[in-house]
Amino acid sequence: KAGVTQTPRYLIKTRGQQVTLSCSPISGHRSVSWYQQTPGQGLQFLFEYFSETQRNKGNFPGRFSGRQFSNSRSEMNVSTLELGDSALYLCASSFASGNQADTQYFGPGTRLTVL
Amino acid sequence: AQRVTQPEKLLSVFKGAPVELKCNYSYSGSPELFWYVQYSRQRLQLLLRHISRESIKGFTADLNKGETSFHLKKPFAQEEDSAMYYCALSRGGAGSYQLTFGKGTKLSVIP
Repeated sequence: KAGVTQTPRYLIKTRGQQVTLSCSPISGHRSVSWYQQTPGQGLQFLFEYFSETQRNKGNFPGRFSGRQFSNSRSEMNVSTLELGDSALYLCASSFASGNQADTQYFGPGTRLTVL
Repeated sequence: AQRVTQPEKLLSVFKGAPVELKCNYSYSGSPELFWYVQYSRQRLQLLLRHISRESIKGFTADLNKGETSFHLKKPFAQEEDSAMYYCALSRGGAGSYQLTFGKGTKLSVIP
């Protein structure tokens, strides 16, 4: 089965712009989570979507938002970009059977650079 | 709030030597603990999780609730074990898929 895919893989934006990243989960997976990875802060949880609803949210400002579509694909949006938003954004999907130990499968990430 | 600490940023061992990657956590409830690995130019992937109590690629990890630790061990390191290793915690409860990661330890196995 195809893995988690993310588009685009690389993105360069300037401060003040907004950006939308896309994630396609593994077929049959219903939960999609987003993480930000930076050298200083490491991997930090952004939010998690299940059945088009945000179930969990990390400690990020409201400029970071997301949504999930009926086919489980997810997008995340960052508005009014700041230099500090430069990071690798990872998407992960899981089957979400209700078992809290469900494995999360990660995509390759989108590398966002803000100039 | 939950926290995961991996005290070593870099760990270098010789091939054939034992490996122990340390992980300590802070959480008041009953967490789920995981080890994720990222090999060069590959995506982050699950190595093992405490609930399965399994050995993957020769690695094992035991959850010690008294010491709040989940150290990753392998008796004999191989060159292909060189990678970035992340310890992660899920706070548990149905529908909880939020992982809190440690900063990671880079394991370098010297031939």
